[in-house]
Amino acid sequence: EAGVAQSPRYKIIEKRQSVAFWCNPISGHATLYWYQQILGQGPKLLIQFQNNGVVDDSQLPKDRFSAERLKGVDSTLKIQPAKLEDSAVYLCASSDNPGWVSIMETQYFGPGTRLLVL
Amino acid sequence: DAKTTQPPSMDCAEGRAANLPCNHSTISGNEYVYWYRQIHSQGPQYIIHGLKNNETNEMASLIITEDRKSSTLILPHATLRDTAVYYCIVTVTSYGKLTFGQGTILTVHP
Repeated sequence: EAGVAQSPRYKIIEKRQSVAFWCNPISGHATLYWYQQILGQGPKLLIQFQNNGVVDDSQLPKDRFSAERLKGVDSTLKIQPAKLEDSAVYLCASSDNPGWVSIMETQYFGPGTRLLVL
Repeated sequence: DAKTTQPPSMDCAEGRAANLPCNHSTISGNEYVYWYRQIHSQGPQYIIHGLKNNETNEMASLIITEDRKSSTLILPHATLRDTAVYYCIVTVTSYGKLTFGQGTILTVHP
């Protein structure tokens, strides 16, 4: 089974530029997550999708970050404009939990996109 | 979700058992203990989870104390490839965000 795919793997931009990250979850997984991981810290959830709907975006800085999952499969995370403090690894994860049943779920993570803002 | 406390780093010799502790003294009765690990330059990887009973799978064993205030992840025969950051996570729901702390950096040496 193919894992979670992310691209690009690395990105260097200057502050105030915009950037977009792409994620392709495991086939059939209804739930998709974006996490931000700053160097030396654990990942922090930015946004959670259930199919193409947003379940939790309470920690997404909405003045500069946006995310979409239009067809309930692939997802894109955008930063516009980027700040120095956005330098981090952006991780995408997916799970097969459909959301309406209480089952134990495992989140499967992609390799991440490493962003450096200069 | 309950807060967890883990040692910042641990060492283990290759072939020996690695025992990683986690303290979660404020855990509630309906909260699960999850363990994930993150190898350098990779995303986190699920290892195991438990509620009350000890659990074992092909990767590791999870020992939860009777009062559930602490747990230990055991890698029975550590290899160099087990060098990673290990995260202990306590969460009331199996669905939704995982709240990662700083984790324990486990270094397995020859």
